Amino acid sequence: AQTVTQSQPEMSVQEAETVTLSCTYDTSESNYYLFWYKQPPSRQMILVIRQEAYKQQNATENRFSVNFQKAAKSFSLKISDSQLGDTAMYFCAFMKGTSGSRLTFGEGTQLTVNP
Amino acid sequence: ETGVTQTPRHLVMGMTNKKSLKCEQHLGHNAMYWYKQSAKKPLELMFVYSLEERVENNSVPSRFSPECPNSSHLFLHLHTLQPEDSALYLCASSQDTASKAFFGQGTRLTVV
Repeated sequence: AQTVTQSQPEMSVQEAETVTLSCTYDTSESNYYLFWYKQPPSRQMILVIRQEAYKQQNATENRFSVNFQKAAKSFSLKISDSQLGDTAMYFCAFMKGTSGSRLTFGEGTQLTVNP
Repeated sequence: ETGVTQTPRHLVMGMTNKKSLKCEQHLGHNAMYWYKQSAKKPLELMFVYSLEERVENNSVPSRFSPECPNSSHLFLHLHTLQPEDSALYLCASSQDTASKAFFGQGTRLTVV
């Protein structure tokens, strides 16, 4: 079974600064995907970034980037130039590479961006 | 184990069938949610219940009918589904709609 661990229940950052959210996972699979989801107060789950395990290059989406360390099973999210709208719960998630696999979520990190 | 239990884990149904998905939590939470996870799309919020009242319905077709008889149980009644409704349906709960959500393991639904 897969496990996903987010060891930071809460984090805060000043507007315009950079913050890194940690995520580690445990799996015996070789083909899988990793995600960061953002959950604002609306409760929607917004996909922030996705990483395929077979790709060595770290995924980047505008101000969001990941540090994917496959050997260490680590998948951290870096948010640059933090904005007030980034305040949300962030979930790290794992999915096996087989079609129709379910997501395994971490416990979540509540990020607050302060003005 | 998050404290949110979904049954069944797997369900195969024909397009003319009627079935129900069940979600149960004994965490003392007052808010419950249904999400849909399709194969190639991000997670989608379907319904939100707070204190047993539906507070949000994100343009979900009427063939999906939620029911929240009490704060511990949430159902999703399914009727005349389409093959494209095949997906993983996730339930979640939280203390209130502003608190951290805990997810169940999901029901894998296949419509044939």
